[in-house]
Amino acid sequence: AQKITQTQPGMFVQEKEAVTLDCTYDTSDQSYGLFWYKQPSSGEMIFLIYQGSYDEQNATEGRYSLNFQKARKSANLVISASQLGDSAMYFCLSGGYNKLIFGAGTRLAVHP
Amino acid sequence: DTGVSQNPRHKITKRGQNVTFRCDPISEHNRLYWYRQTLGQGPEFLTYFQNEAQLEKSRLLSDRFSAERPKGSFSTLEIQRTEQGDSAMYLCASSPAYEQYFGPGTRLTVT
Repeated sequence: AQKITQTQPGMFVQEKEAVTLDCTYDTSDQSYGLFWYKQPSSGEMIFLIYQGSYDEQNATEGRYSLNFQKARKSANLVISASQLGDSAMYFCLSGGYNKLIFGAGTRLAVHP
Repeated sequence: DTGVSQNPRHKITKRGQNVTFRCDPISEHNRLYWYRQTLGQGPEFLTYFQNEAQLEKSRLLSDRFSAERPKGSFSTLEIQRTEQGDSAMYLCASSPAYEQYFGPGTRLTVT
């Protein structure tokens, strides 16, 4: 069975600093995807970044980058130059086309 | 707006009643997913459709839950004989490939 572990229930970061949100996953699938989504207090789920298990380069999307370490089964999200609007719940996900498994989430608070 | 839409946005029902939620995916997306999210938790996968075929179903989906996607367009999720434990946010997502685009959700409260 697939499992996602996010060990940081809450994180604080100063505005304009970088922050890393941890994620480890456990899967027996050979091919899988890793995702990060953001859920602000308004409730919508916003796609941030995707990494395929066979992608050799780490994915980047603007201020977001995914630090993928396959041997360690780690897929940490790095947010550079944090903004106040980054305050939200962040979920790490793993899976394929048929379903995605969510981690418990990390609540990020960005302080001015 | 061409995003995923869900109706109703809120539903309050009494225990034992049946409820039905609707999801309209982004039109060119052939994959559709339902999730359930309780307060303070990450969403849990319920079921997956590719076009009109229901290809994956979680064990969380008891026999009181049924989902359909006739003609591979919109989808409905029905809960029969609702229980208080069914109170949650029900999220729908559609996908063209890898990333899933989520709707705003339907918040169900069972009293």
